[in-house]
Amino acid sequence: QKEVEQDPGPLSVPEGAIVSLNCTYSNSAFQYFMWYRQYSRKGPELLMYTYSSGNKEDGRFTAQVDKSSKYISLFIRDSQPSDSATYLCAMSADWGAGKSTFGDGTTLTVKP
Amino acid sequence: GAGVSQTPSNKVTEKGKYVELRCDPISGHTALYWYRQSLGQGPEFLIYFQGTGAADDSGLPNDRFFAVRPEGSVSTLKIQRTERGDSAVYLCASSPGSLNTGELFFGEGSRLTVL
Repeated sequence: QKEVEQDPGPLSVPEGAIVSLNCTYSNSAFQYFMWYRQYSRKGPELLMYTYSSGNKEDGRFTAQVDKSSKYISLFIRDSQPSDSATYLCAMSADWGAGKSTFGDGTTLTVKP
Repeated sequence: GAGVSQTPSNKVTEKGKYVELRCDPISGHTALYWYRQSLGQGPEFLIYFQGTGAADDSGLPNDRFFAVRPEGSVSTLKIQRTERGDSAVYLCASSPGSLNTGELFFGEGSRLTVL
């Protein structure tokens, strides 16, 4: 079983919808939780990161971490066609000094 | 350049051949990572350099894979006796290398196809 499991999707939603993306993990050592966005044939780019449990908001994006349940989520409000991409969750124990472990990604399509 | 540069962008080779993939990180970034991404999967960690030394090579799948970073900047991933299962996108990423500054800046990848 993988250390990080991500809801596989794909997801297709109408423009303006609220999107929920989720991952679970098994390694208790993970302290940093990241969401990357990847467009086709491009490298991933960081959207948000969170340290330990709690919520973090950045514009239309909200990241939630529940360490007790080993569950993380990314919410996208007022989704736009430009949000169409693959979203990867990633986690690490020592952010900046070691590897990150990625989920397999959820592909999101937002239809105009 | 401003971002992470990887060459070649595409490489087609025959089973059993030797391949080198190059990564030029963002200037000043001391940490450099190689990941491998197969179709429909997330990036899989291969190796992490801090400066010139490999701080963690636990993700290299076998001894056919080797990576170097002799001057602490450019890195080369070397694959010997390629197999069809090595076909994937090889992603390089760099980061500043300090604790709590772990954002990975990825290149666009080198797409390797082994026939």
